[in-house]
Amino acid sequence: GAGVSQSPRYKVTKRGQDVALRCDPISGHVSLYWYRQALGQGPEFLTYFNYEAQQDKSGLPNDRFSAERPEGSISTLTIQRTEQRDSAMYRCASSLEASATNEKLFFGSGTQLSVL
Amino acid sequence: SQKIEQNSEALNIQEGKTATLTCNYTNYSPAYLQWYRQDPGRGPVFLLLIRENEKEKRKERLKVTFDTTLKQSLFHITASQPADSATYLCALDPNAGNNRKLIWGLGTSLAVNP
Repeated sequence: GAGVSQSPRYKVTKRGQDVALRCDPISGHVSLYWYRQALGQGPEFLTYFNYEAQQDKSGLPNDRFSAERPEGSISTLTIQRTEQRDSAMYRCASSLEASATNEKLFFGSGTQLSVL
Repeated sequence: SQKIEQNSEALNIQEGKTATLTCNYTNYSPAYLQWYRQDPGRGPVFLLLIRENEKEKRKERLKVTFDTTLKQSLFHITASQPADSATYLCALDPNAGNNRKLIWGLGTSLAVNP
C-alpha cells in the first residue's frame, strides 16, 4: 500500500477483554516495529520483526502482550486481559531493509486504545 | 542511567529565524541518530539520519550535527516558517548498530510565529 496502515483507528474495550491491533506495512518492507506512545512522550519500543522472525521483544511490558507476523507482512499485536494502564496510542512502523545502515522508519497513524 | 534529553521547554521563534533544537544523551554509544517531525494526531515522519562518523548532515533548510564526544545532536531549521511548527523527536540506536531498536526523546515543541 501507499503507507503503513493500522486498524482499528480507535479501540475502546472493557478491562479484562483481549484486543488485537493490526498493522499492514508498506509493501516490500522487511522490518516491522511496534511502539507505544503516551501523550507528550516519545515512542516506546515494544518489539520488531525482520520478515516473519521476531528479532527483539524486550520492550513488551509483560506476558499479556504478544505479537506475530506469520507471513512476513501483516502483523498483529495482541493484548490479553487488558488493564487500564494499557491505554495508549499503539504505533506500527516499517522500514525497507534489514540492514542497520538504513533505519528510516515509516509510521502508521496508530491505534488509540482505551481500556475502561 | 541511560537517557535522552531534548529541550524541555517549548520553543517559540519568529518566522525567518533559525530554530535550534538539542538532543543530549548519556551512557549510550549510538551508531546513528535520527530526527523526526510529529504533527498532532499523526505518526512521526522521518527527517534526517546522521551516523557516528558524520559531523554534519543537511537537507534543504535542515541541518543536523552529531558530536559523539559531547554526546549531543543539534537540529537546525533555517529561515523558519509557520508550517515548521510541530514536535521534533530525536531517536538513537542504543546498541552501536547491533540492534534495530530505537530509543526516543520526549520531543521538543516548536512554534514559528508569523
